[in-house]
Amino acid sequence: KQEVTQIPAALSVPEGENLVLNCSFTDSAIYNLQWFRQDPGKGLTSLLLIQSSQREQTSGRLNASLDKSSGRSTLYIAASQPGDSATYLCAVRKIGGGFKTIFGAGTRLFVKA
Amino acid sequence: SQTIHQWPATLVQPVGSPLSLECTVEGTSNPNLYWYRQAAGRGLQLLFYSVGIGQISSEVPQNLSASRPQDRQFILSSKKLLLSDSGFYLCAWSREKNTEAFFGQGTRLTVV
Repeated sequence: KQEVTQIPAALSVPEGENLVLNCSFTDSAIYNLQWFRQDPGKGLTSLLLIQSSQREQTSGRLNASLDKSSGRSTLYIAASQPGDSATYLCAVRKIGGGFKTIFGAGTRLFVKA
Repeated sequence: SQTIHQWPATLVQPVGSPLSLECTVEGTSNPNLYWYRQAAGRGLQLLFYSVGIGQISSEVPQNLSASRPQDRQFILSSKKLLLSDSGFYLCAWSREKNTEAFFGQGTRLTVV
């Protein structure tokens, strides 16, 4: 059974700091891993998608890495801003058994001005 | 471009009342569609997914059902709501099994 864990559960940092969010998954048989952002009471916004054959993806100040063999992914946020405050979710699309996407519980990030 | 619509945004319903939440996708054909529930302080739980019209797979036993009457329409229903059905419901779509998933803005359901 695929399980996805995100550490830390919550994080508070001063503005300008670089930070890393961690995601681990138990089953390496995945199509891809996707990072999302969720603002309070809102839907999910896709940030980055990494296919299982890829090692990393970059978008602006965000960089996501994937080590499928060890079941880990990191989301690196450079020069954090108060507008980055949100909950960040990682999700893996498992191979077999349909197109299920399994989510972690998220990391709640607060960037202080 | 593709867009996904979900409504209503919020809903307060009494216990025992019926439920119908609707999700539609525009700008694509034959999408894979999903319903998720997010309980307070917990991760997203996949409830149903559909790979085509009339094809529904249920992930967890529950008081809810789903239907896909049209290619780009996905409906979440209940005949009688329970208190435990309260939560944040999200609809999502993806083109293929290995492509990005896109989410709607969600429906906050409170059963009282």
